[in-house]
Amino acid sequence: GAGVSQSPRYKVAKRGQDVALRCDPISGHVSLFWYQQALGQGPEFLTYFQNEAQLDKSGLPSDRFFAERPEGSVSTLKIQRTQQEDSAVYLCASSLPTDTQYFGPGTRLTVL
Amino acid sequence: KQEVTQIPAALSVPEGENLVLNCSFTDSAIYNLQWFRQDPGKGLTSLLLIQSSQREQTSGRLNASLDKSSGRSTLYIAASQPGDSATYLCAVDSGNTPLVFGKGTRLSVIA
Repeated sequence: GAGVSQSPRYKVAKRGQDVALRCDPISGHVSLFWYQQALGQGPEFLTYFQNEAQLDKSGLPSDRFFAERPEGSVSTLKIQRTQQEDSAVYLCASSLPTDTQYFGPGTRLTVL
Repeated sequence: KQEVTQIPAALSVPEGENLVLNCSFTDSAIYNLQWFRQDPGKGLTSLLLIQSSQREQTSGRLNASLDKSSGRSTLYIAASQPGDSATYLCAVDSGNTPLVFGKGTRLSVIA
């Protein structure tokens, strides 16, 4: 079956632009996670959804970061007024409750 | 707060060698521990998942051990091959929480 998909795979933005990153989880997976992976680092947690409810957004680095999952399936991570320090790979993972997380290929964001 | 450390940060070995990657974590109250592989520009591929009640898991040439009380896990790779070259990440799950990752070990297997 299809795994977790993310789009776009690569995004180049000028500093100050807004970007939107999409995650399509595995069908039926109620849990959805967003992680940020800077170059040479391990992924770091950003936010977590269970169905459409955002249960934890403690990892979002600033109020420029916003995530939503309005129908409990597809999720979008939006970054407003991008800065150079936002350059990273953004990974999405989905799972059944308390089960293994399955990761997408990530979106590599480069802010110039 | 859970912290995960991986040693070494990078490792280069000749083909055929057996090798060990190390992972340590500060809070032993974990639900499971997982080892991932990440190829350049790619997402994460799960290699092995060890439940907190287990001591080890094996898959092919890979063996992962877990000593929860001492906060340590090792990933053993037997008879390494150039295709094993990748970054290996250790992640801890404390149950209904996001995974906490180490920074990874970048492995190069030289033919």
